[in-house]
Amino acid sequence: NAGVTQTPKFQVLKTGQSMTLQCAQDMNHEYMSWYRQDPGMGLRLIHYSVGAGITDQGEVPNGYNVSRSTTEDFPLRLLSAAPSQTSVYFCASRPEGQANYGYTFGSGTRLTVV
Amino acid sequence: RKEVEQDPGPFNVPEGATVAFNCTYSNSASQSFFWYRQDCRKEPKLLMSVYSSGNEDGRFTAQLNRASQYISLLIRDSKLSDSATYLCVVNKKTGRRALTFGSGTRLQVQP
Repeated sequence: NAGVTQTPKFQVLKTGQSMTLQCAQDMNHEYMSWYRQDPGMGLRLIHYSVGAGITDQGEVPNGYNVSRSTTEDFPLRLLSAAPSQTSVYFCASRPEGQANYGYTFGSGTRLTVV
Repeated sequence: RKEVEQDPGPFNVPEGATVAFNCTYSNSASQSFFWYRQDCRKEPKLLMSVYSSGNEDGRFTAQLNRASQYISLLIRDSKLSDSATYLCVVNKKTGRRALTFGSGTRLQVQP
């Protein structure tokens, strides 16, 4: 049981490049979400999904796209990378209807945009 | 005003000390409450959920006061391994089905 798997762990991009951060979970969790963490800012919600085919914007969605074609996968796409997107990105999931369960997090992707 | 506010820290305490962290939240629609622990350069990990009746897990005790919109975490008999950042987290009843995080309080337990 791998839990939540994020790839890659590290990435350096040039300004203007695009890329996809992968997130997969094998726990059959309905709820998945993407956060970014910047120094002194805490984790901020980018996008989230409550099930396959359903996504919605979080607090800081600009510059990012998501899709949820399967329960297991929730990729995050950077359309045209900017230095302001340098951050650590975490994907998380939890079962539906388990509000007190808490989310399980992946180990993160450290992204640097130069 | 941030939705979830925490003591800024850092807290530097000796081994064996008792330390308390406080947190306030602004959205009365908040439904679920948690303390997460985050080690340096690692992902957040659930420490404990927080209930109105209060709950304890070994050396850790969490309290929730819904009327004051206040959450606390008490760590007794601190260990060196407790050194980490502690994140206060809330989950709303309506709207975004995701977590809202405080910016965290750093704890450093010293020998």
